[in-house]
Amino acid sequence: GAVVSQHPSWVICKSGTSVKIECRSLDFQATTMFWYRQFPKQSLMLMATSNEGSKATYEQGVEKDKFLINHASLTLSTLTVTSAHPEDSSFYICSAPDRAGATNEKLFFGSGTQLSVL
Amino acid sequence: DAKTTQPPSMDCAEGRAANLPCNHSTISGNEYVYWYRQIHSQGPQYIIHGLKNNETNEMASLIITEDRKSSTLILPHATLRDTAVYYCIVRGYNDMRFGAGTRLTVKP
Repeated sequence: GAVVSQHPSWVICKSGTSVKIECRSLDFQATTMFWYRQFPKQSLMLMATSNEGSKATYEQGVEKDKFLINHASLTLSTLTVTSAHPEDSSFYICSAPDRAGATNEKLFFGSGTQLSVL
Repeated sequence: DAKTTQPPSMDCAEGRAANLPCNHSTISGNEYVYWYRQIHSQGPQYIIHGLKNNETNEMASLIITEDRKSSTLILPHATLRDTAVYYCIVRGYNDMRFGAGTRLTVKP
């Protein structure tokens, strides 16, 4: 199946710094990518939908200026957590459908990034 | 909000079939039912999906009721490696929201 590569797998940073997470579709083009956040023992929460060449669509309650999403190419989307604080510590996961725009496409997930803010 | 309801947890004996139910009473006619699973600290893994017909692949079978308001994922011979959280999702256009899922524990 299609592969979505996410880096880094884990990152530890100081409070107030920014962290960038990359999500790449390795063998297919992804015009759309989804970004999720997951706290321990909870389900995945959709944060935003990233669209190649246009602005991301954020879910209600997700701060656009804090979680910057860039989808500059058909194979790369990035999530930057700006001025990170301990409450931003979480597991971040990206995903991409193999056929954007269809409701029966498969969604492939990255391996996730564990962010710990000290 | 997620459009599905699942039991929070289930146990299954190793080698037996695991039947995981999901209610999706508000599903629309063109929305597919997807199943994913997540093993601890990993990205979710695709299992199977369907619209209205029953589906089977190398991993599992998906049984969708005729009115499409509920479905059941069947793992025919559960192994210890099938212990995971299983998510049932109703897929709309550019919309993939996860519910709470079912934590399946396969016991020896």
